[in-house]
Amino acid sequence: AQKITQTQPGMFVQEKEAVTLDCTYDTSDQSYGLFWYKQPSSGEMIFLIYQGSYDEQNATEGRYSLNFQKARKSANLVISASQLGDSAMYFCAMRESTGGFKTIFGAGTRLFVKA
Amino acid sequence: NAGVTQTPKFQVLKTGQSMTLQCAQDMNHNSMYWYRQDPGMGLRLIYYSASEGTTDKGEVPNGYNVSRLNKREFSLRLESAAPSQTSVYFCASSGGLVKETQYFGPGTRLLVL
Repeated sequence: AQKITQTQPGMFVQEKEAVTLDCTYDTSDQSYGLFWYKQPSSGEMIFLIYQGSYDEQNATEGRYSLNFQKARKSANLVISASQLGDSAMYFCAMRESTGGFKTIFGAGTRLFVKA
Repeated sequence: NAGVTQTPKFQVLKTGQSMTLQCAQDMNHNSMYWYRQDPGMGLRLIYYSASEGTTDKGEVPNGYNVSRLNKREFSLRLESAAPSQTSVYFCASSGGLVKETQYFGPGTRLLVL
């Protein structure tokens, strides 16, 4: 069954340091996609980064990178050089290629960046 | 470009009342989704629609019905609202590939008394 797990309810990081947000998943599909979204206190959902199950390279988008370990079924988000504006909720999501593109989310991690 | 729009933005219902949340997208997307977000929890999938004319249950479909009226519109109906349905409801849409991100509406905040 499709499942996403984020085990860190809250994380603190010092400004300018790097932080890793954990995400593990479970699926029986061979073809799937993994996404990370940011939700600031204003409530909108902001897409950050995408990793496909067949992608050989880890995805990177600016200060965001995805540490994809397929055998471990993990897709951790790494934020480098944290900024105060990175304080937000972060969600990991997975979409399977079968079953009509069903997309589910993890419970989220709230990140606090300290000055 | 409006993207994904949702109406209403905020609604208060009494237990047992019914209402329909409206969602529309102007990006010609095939797939549309309804999620609910409760405090301290992630987004939970209620229903989704892979294409016009099809709908499927998500993780928490009980107490809800949906209609994919056409390619643009996907509505969510609460037939008999319960306090447990107090939540923020997000509609989202995405294109025809697994790698295409979802675009989210601004959300509807629903309070059931």
